[in-house]
Amino acid sequence: EAGVTQSPTHLIKTRGQQVTLRCSPISGHTSVYWYQQALGLGLQFLLWYDEGEERNRGNFPPRFSGRQFPNYSSELNVNALELEDSALYLCASSLERGGGADTQYFGPGTRLTVL
Amino acid sequence: SQQGEEDPQALSIQEGENATMNCSYKTSINNLQWYRQNSGRGLVHLILIRSNEREKHSGRLRVTLDTSKKSSSLLITASRAADTASYFCATDPSVAGGTSYGKLTFGQGTILTVHP
Repeated sequence: EAGVTQSPTHLIKTRGQQVTLRCSPISGHTSVYWYQQALGLGLQFLLWYDEGEERNRGNFPPRFSGRQFPNYSSELNVNALELEDSALYLCASSLERGGGADTQYFGPGTRLTVL
Repeated sequence: SQQGEEDPQALSIQEGENATMNCSYKTSINNLQWYRQNSGRGLVHLILIRSNEREKHSGRLRVTLDTSKKSSSLLITASRAADTASYFCATDPSVAGGTSYGKLTFGQGTILTVHP
């Protein structure tokens, strides 16, 4: 069974540009989560999508947005890139059965560098 | 802000020795998960322990949870060079049986180095 996949693997952008990261969950998983892992800040929760709806959002500015498609894949968009957006962006998926988060399975990540 | 605090921040041992990592957290949780990360790549799920469980085993891994002390420990027995990685605990603050927040809150991690 294929795991969570993310594309691209690496990305280099300049300040002010926009970027789109993509994630495909494990087959059968309906929930997708996005996390940012920046140097010195650890892993920070960004967004949670389930059944096409945004269910929860971390403490990030509105220029971080995303969506989930009918096939449960997801995109993370970051507008007006800033230097501090340089980080590893991790996507995870799970079976969301309510009553608390189930095991989240992570993809390999997209390393974004903003120059 | 980080919910969990791992201790120690770094651990260096020889192959064959046991490695123990600790995690403390601040709020009530529904479950606690341990993950491994190799060289800044994706996270590998190791084990999930629910708030009503006290101990769980998986192969060479043993996890304990003490909700009264808001702490957990991960024990890796008979360590191998391949166990060299960063280890994170992650807590789910959702109320058991209640609405899920979906998010996991991670600690800063313990960097484990196992020397051959």
